[in-house]
Amino acid sequence: SQQGEEDPQALSIQEGENATMNCSYKTSINNLQWYRQNSGRGLVHLILIRSNEREKHSGRLRVTLDTSKKSSSLLITASRAADTASYFCATERITGGGNKLTFGTGTQLKVEL
Amino acid sequence: SQTIHQWPATLVQPVGSPLSLECTVEGTSNPNLYWYRQAAGRGLQLLFYSVGIGQISSEVPQNLSASRPQDRQFILSSKKLLLSDSGFYLCAWRFKGGGYEQYFGPGTRLTVT
Repeated sequence: SQQGEEDPQALSIQEGENATMNCSYKTSINNLQWYRQNSGRGLVHLILIRSNEREKHSGRLRVTLDTSKKSSSLLITASRAADTASYFCATERITGGGNKLTFGTGTQLKVEL
Repeated sequence: SQTIHQWPATLVQPVGSPLSLECTVEGTSNPNLYWYRQAAGRGLQLLFYSVGIGQISSEVPQNLSASRPQDRQFILSSKKLLLSDSGFYLCAWRFKGGGYEQYFGPGTRLTVT
């Protein structure tokens, strides 16, 4: 079953606006990762935040993590049409072999000109 | 640098036919390898993962099997395809240990008719 649930499922904004996506999960984690998927393509890793971190930045991306609420958010600032894609959160749990990731259901972001 | 290859890119197969999807990784050794399936508009479901040659862990009971005959080769197979096997299949690799991202291949679009 999917541990992560993204919210909203779909988001449509204008170029230049900020986009915020949220992710909730259920169990204790080692880290939480965000990935991007363009239509019909493989996933690309965006950013990883460890369980002892609260906020992380990478370019126009800002990720927060609240382990007490078991939630994370991804903020994309000054969005561009090229940011149009699906965004997934993925959690790596503390126990279990193979360093598996559990992916959420994704947020479809559309950035319009 | 590391690269991951998947083939074929698209595949249309009749119900009851066999399946073989191949994934190879270059530029690294002893990676963890993963097979995922993604239904249309959905998140990723982990099917199999492997921590070494001949070591396969299955996440979901199903009509598929996986093998790792060489360190950087991961194969997804089926003896008889079902309609429900249709989907987008993604292979991924990562370094061993915790706290690393996964690197995804371009995917195979499988349609079972």
